[in-house]
Amino acid sequence: DVKVTQSSRYLVKRTGEKVFLECVQDMDHENMFWYRQDPGLGLRLIYFSYDVKMKEKGDIPEGYSVSREKKERFSLILESASTNQTSMYLCASGLQGGRTEAFFGQGTRLTVV
Amino acid sequence: AQSVSQHNHHVILSEAASLELGCNYSYGGTVNLFWYVQYPGQHLQLLLKYFSGDPLVKGIKGFEAEFIKSKFSFNLRKPSVQWSDTAEYFCAVSHTGGFKTIFGAGTRLFVKA
Repeated sequence: DVKVTQSSRYLVKRTGEKVFLECVQDMDHENMFWYRQDPGLGLRLIYFSYDVKMKEKGDIPEGYSVSREKKERFSLILESASTNQTSMYLCASGLQGGRTEAFFGQGTRLTVV
Repeated sequence: AQSVSQHNHHVILSEAASLELGCNYSYGGTVNLFWYVQYPGQHLQLLLKYFSGDPLVKGIKGFEAEFIKSKFSFNLRKPSVQWSDTAEYFCAVSHTGGFKTIFGAGTRLFVKA
């Protein structure tokens, strides 16, 4: 079974803090993704990576950055957390090309106070 | 802009009722189509997918979906729902050879026992 593991299920951070969300996958997938999930908006792509050290902006990259130093690990960084970044964050991985499904982690519910 | 529309945000059904969830997309060219499901407290998982061939695809747990190219639609169906089908359902579209998968806003299904 493919496993995508996110480091935390719940996080509470203060405004202005630097926040790291970690994701690890065990299936040697080339692609990894970070989405945020908000009610009524579905999943919106923040960033994705198709190879180590490679990254591309998704639809809502503002206020976020990412890091992929190893193939299995993809980190999402909130440089200075704000209350409008309170959300559910989902990490996913998948094989190359659009003809493959994504495998998701359990999600991290981040609350910024 | 590329988009995915799910017609219903909330659906309430009694057990044994039939289900149809609408999904329309705006995408030119060859598309790959997915339905994902998120059960309460669980991670998103693939329900079914369509890449090519027979436009009627069958997925897990008795679900099926029909791709109608002329209508840009990929509706999800189940002839008889169960209480355990209570979940949120997401339609998603990707481009062959592309990296991005676009998700709809989701439909929350509640099945009354």
